[in-house]
Amino acid sequence: DGGITQSPKYLFRKEGQNVTLSCEQNLNHDAMYWYRQDPGQGLRLIYYSQIVNDFQKGDIAEGYSVSREKKESFPLTVTSAQKNPTAFYLCASRALGRGRLTNEKLFFGSGTQLSVL
Amino acid sequence: GNSVTQMEGPVTLSEEAFLTINCTYTATGYPSLFWYVQYPGEGLQLLLKATKADDKGSNKGFEATYRKETTSFHLEKGSVQVSDSAVYFCALSEAGNQFYFGTGTSLTVIP
Repeated sequence: DGGITQSPKYLFRKEGQNVTLSCEQNLNHDAMYWYRQDPGQGLRLIYYSQIVNDFQKGDIAEGYSVSREKKESFPLTVTSAQKNPTAFYLCASRALGRGRLTNEKLFFGSGTQLSVL
Repeated sequence: GNSVTQMEGPVTLSEEAFLTINCTYTATGYPSLFWYVQYPGEGLQLLLKATKADDKGSNKGFEATYRKETTSFHLEKGSVQVSDSAVYFCALSEAGNQFYFGTGTSLTVIP
């Protein structure tokens, strides 16, 4: 089955520690996204990438880093600089087709809940 | 800039009640509009979408009409079920480059 796989489902971070959240997709999608979800708030964009080896900051990129070495993988690192990392993190992808109607659907993973110890 | 405002929850309804979740948007151009649904502990799934004014998106008994004159995309369902309990997000996209989400509305349907 095609889809997006995020791991782990739950992750705990100690103070001063960097942690990496995995996101893998086998949908052959060009674009991938990382969102942060806090209770009572909408999704906020952290980073996105439309092509391998290229990515752009979203609205709340500070304290996070990403890489896009392969089309199917877009890992997110939450660094020690992110002072309030507790949140639900969602990865998404979409196809970059020629037609407007074919490329606007986002596919989401099932998320990673990150908590601070 | 672009933004989405949706009614705050939580919303609690009895089974078979009528549902409306309000959504209004601000956009600089001609966006596409979406409703996504999130079940507990899961990611979001596309529920329905509309790409131009007066279009109606529909799926699983849910409907929403793109109203340019009122900049709205309200979600409706005539008879909700317990299985519809979830968080619903309104969203917009212009040219598919970035997506803007509302804060989400939690719906609980009781038997």
